[in-house]
Amino acid sequence: EVQVVESGGGLVKPGGSLRLSCAASEFTFSTYSMNWVRQAPGKGLEWVSSISSGSSYIYYADSVKGRFTISRDNAKNSLYLQMNSLRAEDTAVYYCAREPYGGDSSSPYYFDYWGQGTLVTVSS
Amino acid sequence: DIQMTQSPSTLSASVGDRVTITCRASQSMSSWLAWYQQKPGKAPKLLIYKASSLESGVPSRFSGSGSGTEFTLTISSLQPDDFATYYCQQYNSYSRTFGQGTKVEIK
Repeated sequence: EVQVVESGGGLVKPGGSLRLSCAASEFTFSTYSMNWVRQAPGKGLEWVSSISSGSSYIYYADSVKGRFTISRDNAKNSLYLQMNSLRAEDTAVYYCAREPYGGDSSSPYYFDYWGQGTLVTVSS
Repeated sequence: DIQMTQSPSTLSASVGDRVTITCRASQSMSSWLAWYQQKPGKAPKLLIYKASSLESGVPSRFSGSGSGTEFTLTISSLQPDDFATYYCQQYNSYSRTFGQGTKVEIK
């Protein structure tokens, strides 16, 4: 069974930094594009960032561009999100989500597997 | 970015009802649309992709249709397990966007 498990969430002050991790298992992680999607408390879903299988294509939502950095370590089957200059509006559950097709491609897809999410709270 | 607008925002229905949720896109996007179900405290679950393709393991009472700018998700006979929030999502561009969600409540 495909699994993705997020970690690294917590309480951080405005202007602070946090690094999220996503550990993948039971699929060939190195061949799939991965994403971060977030959901503010009581709100809808917002795509945050994506990275292709070989890290050739990286995209960000305008709301996080210049502050967040997505990366992956295929040898460790892991996805990361470095979040700097955090704001109150970044408070959300952050989900790691897999796209269904492999290849180091720029083609966008939907998300077939999601983790359980990790909560990030930005507050003084 | 393509804006996605779902209607209604909330829907009250009874077990056995036929339910339809609409999603409209701000620009044409072929059939690059997915639907998800989300229950409180849980991750979204993929139901439909490419507007009308049913994800493996999803009950056949769920169906999707549409292309261009207007799409629908239909539940043919609402079951107790279907009370949840439903989201559409476009993947026509790398900047994926979701609808605001439709909460299906018990009438």
